[in-house]
Amino acid sequence: DSGVTQTPKHLITATGQRVTLRCSPRSGDLSVYWYQQSLDQGLQFLIQYYNGEERAKGNILERFSAQQFPDLHSELNLSSLELGDSALYFCASSVALRANSPLHFGNGTRLTVT
Amino acid sequence: DAKTTQPTSMDCAEGRAANLPCNHSTISGNEYVYWYRQIHSQGPQYIIHGLKNNETNEMASLIITEDRKSSTLILPHATLRDTAVYYCIVRVEEGGSSNTGKLIFGQGTTLQVKP
Repeated sequence: DSGVTQTPKHLITATGQRVTLRCSPRSGDLSVYWYQQSLDQGLQFLIQYYNGEERAKGNILERFSAQQFPDLHSELNLSSLELGDSALYFCASSVALRANSPLHFGNGTRLTVT
Repeated sequence: DAKTTQPTSMDCAEGRAANLPCNHSTISGNEYVYWYRQIHSQGPQYIIHGLKNNETNEMASLIITEDRKSSTLILPHATLRDTAVYYCIVRVEEGGSSNTGKLIFGQGTTLQVKP
């Protein structure tokens, strides 16, 4: 158990809809990262927050947004969903931003868009 | 970040040591070598990381060559549960406000442990 909690575990929704994925980082971790893993793609970095502020952006679509709240949990919002958004979405957290601080991943949310 | 090269797949007999190589010939002095693994559709699991010295923990050992251009992850007694995709990642220590700490994953090595 990594200590990172993601909810829900599974989500099935229709095209055009909007969903929210939630992540609770490990106790004491200030940084949260979101990754997407599609069936035929590797792990793609989406976005990162540190202590409530956006820190880095990767290949995140404009239809997607995220935020980190004062209690350090984070939410990833996916809107105008398309079939191609079906994927595993992972959240990770780390204590600090330093390269010596490992990321710890949750077990993901499996999103299916029908 | 420096690029890494790993074999696409490897087999290992159960109970034997699994040695997973990684080439990172363009690594810089301030870049760490990290290893993660992903067991089918689960979240990536942190295994070990190191900068210059060899490292060992309860899961594995990391051997980094003296010139730091390659490394080997060693699982001393592989079990069927070690079957997974193993990722070698080089992670740079960015300066000051540029620090993000994000990890960039490649394709990894699929390790199949066989009975």
